Order: sequence, then C-alpha cells, then structure tokens
Amino acid sequence: GEDVEQSLFLSVREGDSSVINCTYTDSSSTYLYWYKQEPGAGLQLLTYIFSNMDMKQDQRLTVLLNKKDKHLSLRIADTQTGDSAIYFCAERWTTDSWGKLQFGAGTQVVVTP
Amino acid sequence: GAVVSQHPSRVICKSGTSVKIECRSLDFQATTMFWYRQFPKKSLMLMATSNEGSKATYEQGVEKDKFLINHASLTLSTLTVTSAHPEDSSFYICSARARTSGGARETQYFGPGTRLLVL
Repeated sequence: GEDVEQSLFLSVREGDSSVINCTYTDSSSTYLYWYKQEPGAGLQLLTYIFSNMDMKQDQRLTVLLNKKDKHLSLRIADTQTGDSAIYFCAERWTTDSWGKLQFGAGTQVVVTP
Repeated sequence: GAVVSQHPSRVICKSGTSVKIECRSLDFQATTMFWYRQFPKKSLMLMATSNEGSKATYEQGVEKDKFLINHASLTLSTLTVTSAHPEDSSFYICSARARTSGGARETQYFGPGTRLLVL
C-alpha cells in the first residue's frame, strides 16, 4: 500500500468544518502538500507546509502538522458544495533531488446541503 | 499560479495505434516533468520522471518501450503510448517542476489530465 495514508471518505454538511487526515512516512525533512482534484480534472495545489512548521493558515484552510506522530490534517472552515472533491496529501523528501511526490490514496469529500 | 496544459484532453483510439500526449508549462520553465497514471477512484501512480535534454527515468514496472517520454525543451514533454491496448485506457496526468527551485515555494504544478480510451 501507499506510504502516505489517508481516510478514504468524508461526508460533511454545508457550513460545517471538514477535517481530512493524513499520515506520512519517516523522513528527516519533508515538504507536505494538499491537492484538490475535481471530477475529470487535474490536481490543484491548495497549500503546503514544511516539516519544521506546526500550523499554517490560508483563508478557510488550516494545516496542522504533528511531526512526532507524522500526522497531517487539513481543515476546511465553512465547507461549501464547491469543496466536494478528492483531496490528496503528498510528501516530498528534500533529499530527493528530482522532487518526486508520494501521494496518499485520496479522501473523497462529499458536501451535503 | 503556474499553468500547465495537456493536449489532448480526451482521446479515443483503436487498439494497436500509438497516441501522443503533450504537456506544456505555459508561464514558467520546467526542469523536470513527471508523468502519472490514475485509475478510477485511485491515487496517482508515478510512471516516469523526465528532465530536459536527458532520458527519462521510469518507475519500477513501467515499460519504457511502451511509454515513450521525450522532454525536448524546458516547456514541453510528450508521452507516447505505443501500440495501445484496452488495458492502457486510463487518465494520464503530467506535472511540471519550476526551474527556480529550492525553498518552500518549490512545488509541482499539474496539468488537467488526458483521458485515454483504447477500443
């Protein structure tokens, strides 16, 4: 299975907060990314965090990183129907000179009215 | 943000034919481009990494003679699926890594994907 693991499905009511969880592999240093994929489309970069950070906030998005547990989460405040998509977390090792990404399986987020 | 395009967005071909997919970085130079394959409801599987002017590096299990990759310039990489078969039907996505690398802002920008259906 993937080294980066995610919960597969999340259902949330419009207006509530969504929290998507991810665990990543052991590495001395890494960049961690959240991408959004809408049906039939490519991946859109939402946000990223470096492993020496604990939290990053960008408008409705908040990324929390627990380095000890290698746990990453993405919180979407005031979730809207347009947030329905698949969300991928991805890890990039800085020791990889080509910058390859290791993706999780993706979390399907369904927003209900 | 940076823009990566793919062409075609969708292609249907007969079994045995070859199909070429283009990936272009529109507003930046990409030293490295990546090709992924995505199966329905699955994650992205990295197929190969291509660097401008050199041979692509293929992931384990990916046939390099089947999936030909050319990275002719800093803004263009092509993936050619040779002698396509129905099992090659998939969603192919490319990504490009910006030339000005390093630091927290370095990342990959993804194309919109190409849906290939082999009959």
